[in-house]
Order: sequence, then structure tokens, then C-alpha cells
Amino acid sequence: GAGVSQSPSNKVTEKGKDVELRCDPISGHTALYWYRQSLGQGLEFLIYFQGNSAPDKSGLPSDRFSAERTGGSVSTLTIQRTQQEDSAVYLCASSPRVPSGGAPDTQYFGPGTRLTVL
Amino acid sequence: DAKTTQPPSMDCAEGRAANLPCNHSTISGNEYVYWYRQIHSQGPQYIIHGLKNNETNEMASLIITEDRKSSTLILPHATLRDTAVYYCIVREFGMDSSYKLIFGSGTRLLVRP
Repeated sequence: GAGVSQSPSNKVTEKGKDVELRCDPISGHTALYWYRQSLGQGLEFLIYFQGNSAPDKSGLPSDRFSAERTGGSVSTLTIQRTQQEDSAVYLCASSPRVPSGGAPDTQYFGPGTRLTVL
Repeated sequence: DAKTTQPPSMDCAEGRAANLPCNHSTISGNEYVYWYRQIHSQGPQYIIHGLKNNETNEMASLIITEDRKSSTLILPHATLRDTAVYYCIVREFGMDSSYKLIFGSGTRLLVRP
């Protein structure tokens, strides 16, 4: 079946511009995550959506970052007034999210969007 | 902070078993061991997870020691496509914060022809 897809695969932008990154999760998955990975670094959690619950935005690095998830499916991560330090690979993951008390969920990742801010 | 320790790099010959160790000496009773890998320029890929019993799936086997302080991921017949960085992660169930994946530096596995 189809996995998590992200678009665009690459984005080059100029400092100060806004960018939107899109994520299409696996059909039926209720949980959606955004992470970013800077060159040679590990994953940095950004935001988490679970069903109709309020998202956990605790990982967003500044108020220039926002994300929404429409209809419980597609998600868009928006970065306003991009800075060079925003350059990274932005990864989206989804999971079926088991009920609490079970094992932690298994997250399935998309290929990422490589953002370069000049 | 990552709660696991892995060797920074390993290599093995194509067709042979690759055994990747992970130390998680401070693991608690309700923490699972998860393995992901990341092939160059791709998103992380789930491999396998376990609590205390050994597990096997179509990709790999996971051997967890009886005291749960360490584990080994086994790729039974490594191929060139298995060259990647392998991450061992411990995650707690029953806690809502367990959804955040925290990767350490992982083990860079090179499979030689």
C-alpha cells in the first residue's frame, strides 16, 4: 500500500520567504508527526497531531513555525520568514496510534522535504 | 536524551549475518526496545520492536537479554541495500509522551561486497 508521502522533495528558498511543506499520511492513520533533521544530526520533534485532540506543539522552535492538519488527514507545516538555520530535512511520520496502555505506536516515515534557505 | 549506547560503526560482508548491539542498562520494566534504520537520503524506516521476548519479522530478529540491559539486532543475510545508520531506541508505553522518537547517534553499518 501507499506509504507516507511528502512534497516537495526539495525546496530552495531565500531568507525571509515563507514556505509550506505538505504531508500525506498513510490512510487510516490517526496520528501524524513532524520532525526535522539537520545535517548529520538526529531527529528533532516538532509537532504531533492525534485525532481530534489538540496538537502537541511543544517542539516548534519559534512562532515562525506552525502546522495544521485538515480533516484528520493531510498536514501542512508552514515556516514564515525563513532563516538559514531552518535549513534541514523535514520529516513527516504517521501511525495508527494504539490506545494508551498498549505498546508505543510504530511510526512510519515519509521521504522528507529537504529545505535549503539561502 | 537517548538512553542507549551503540558502536558508531560496523561492517560486515554481503550475505553474512550482521549483528548490531545496543546497550540500554537503565531500561525500566515498561520500556520497549525499538529499532529503526535510515538509509542515506531517506526517512527513517521501522524495523522491529520488543519488550522482553525475542522477536522476528521479515526484516530482522531482535534478541533481548534476560536482564533487558542489552539487545542485538540481527540481519540474517545482509545485502548492500542494508547499508544504513541503525538506531536503537527505548520507549515507554502507557505514557502519552512516549510518541516522541528520540534518536541517538546510531551505528553506521557498511555492508561490503
